[in-house]
Amino acid sequence: DIVMTQSPDSLAVSLGERATINCKSSQSLLYRSNNKNYLAWYQHKPGQPPKLLIYWASTRESGVPDRISGSGSGTDYTLTISSLQAEDVAVYYCQQSYSTPYTFGQGTKLEIK
Amino acid sequence: QVQLIQSGSEVKKPGASVKVSCKVSGYTLTELSMHWVRQAPGKGLEWMGGYDPEDGVTVFSQEFQGRVTMTEDTSTDTAYMELTSLRSEDTAVYYCAGGPYHTLAFDFWGQGTLVTVSS
Repeated sequence: DIVMTQSPDSLAVSLGERATINCKSSQSLLYRSNNKNYLAWYQHKPGQPPKLLIYWASTRESGVPDRISGSGSGTDYTLTISSLQAEDVAVYYCQQSYSTPYTFGQGTKLEIK
Repeated sequence: QVQLIQSGSEVKKPGASVKVSCKVSGYTLTELSMHWVRQAPGKGLEWMGGYDPEDGVTVFSQEFQGRVTMTEDTSTDTAYMELTSLRSEDTAVYYCAGGPYHTLAFDFWGQGTLVTVSS
């Protein structure tokens, strides 16, 4: 199974500042046949279902604000929120869909400092 | 607008089974790669199983092998997840999730079904 490891486990950032969450996979998530990295990022708020933010490591889902971006390839990925807003407080998960089981990272809790 | 509507909360005794439904609207079930994810209290998201387009079959996490069944009724666009031999550790919110086959990301989520296992 592919192990997904996020860092940090929790993060406190001031409003308007940058938040960066890292995700490392135990093997490459890059499909050579189409040059896509099968890595997604989700935002999860209490009492709501998770929300897809980013797929293919860097493609923003429709409706997601452009202050949220994803980057990375192979085994190392990053989710960046360029200017933190109050509504960004949530737990963020990376997930690989390169091979089953489609494992999630342990989650990163993002709070306001 | 795509919606995934799940069945309501359940309370079960240890050893019992639970079957959760997930009705899709706005898409047909055959257009989505469907999966099930759970979150136990205070824990993270856990993928339980779903359709593997590479092999064309439904696959399950080793954690649930032999205890979980995932089925689909394409006539009603409803997916089902049944978990047997329930134990207290199965107390969790269960989500159905789906997305397009080419991205393998979970664009759409049900609202979640709380399953409580308690004697």
